[in-house]
Amino acid sequence: QKEVEQDPGPLSVPEGAIVSLNCTYSNSAFQYFMWYRQYSRKGPELLMYTYSSGNKEDGRFTAQVDKSSKYISLFIRDSQPSDSATYLCAMSRGSQGNLIFGKGTKLSVKP
Amino acid sequence: NAGVTQTPKFQVLKTGQSMTLQCAQDMNHNSMYWYRQDPGMGLRLIYYSASEGTTDKGEVPNGYNVSRLNKREFSLRLESAAPSQTSVYFCASSPFAQGAGNTIYFGEGSWLTVV
Repeated sequence: QKEVEQDPGPLSVPEGAIVSLNCTYSNSAFQYFMWYRQYSRKGPELLMYTYSSGNKEDGRFTAQVDKSSKYISLFIRDSQPSDSATYLCAMSRGSQGNLIFGKGTKLSVKP
Repeated sequence: NAGVTQTPKFQVLKTGQSMTLQCAQDMNHNSMYWYRQDPGMGLRLIYYSASEGTTDKGEVPNGYNVSRLNKREFSLRLESAAPSQTSVYFCASSPFAQGAGNTIYFGEGSWLTVV
């Protein structure tokens, strides 16, 4: 079992839809959870960062972490065509180890 | 606001040729990284440097060497390129040598094709 699992999609939604992106993980030592957005032919850029369990909201984006289920989510409200990108989850143990990335989910938001 | 700058952006190599990918960051970060990204494989860490003067192997170091020239610059060298090294290479940096968060900031990528 890989440490981080992420459905690669592709996921296609109409403009204005609520998008839910998810990752599961197997290592209970992960404490820091991130979401990166990667546009085509660009480098990943940090979108959301959370520590331990709970929710974090930033504009139209909400990140959720459920450590008991080893499950993290990214919700995008009122999705826009400009949200079309690949979304990568990433997590780390903190003081030991580096970031472990999911393979990314490709999202397309249709006008 | 340059952030992490990689050169070259595109390169075609013949099998057996050598080349160096250059990376520089202007954020005064301690740690720097080289990743490769392949379809279906995600981002895989090749080498990293937790601080100036140190380098460590990541998940896929074979066929690569690195040099942390100073705090700003971290280069990746392919001594004898192989078709299996055709990939997109990303340099990245983070403010922490180790520890909490380890949020990473990426460059724009270098597309390398080995024929």
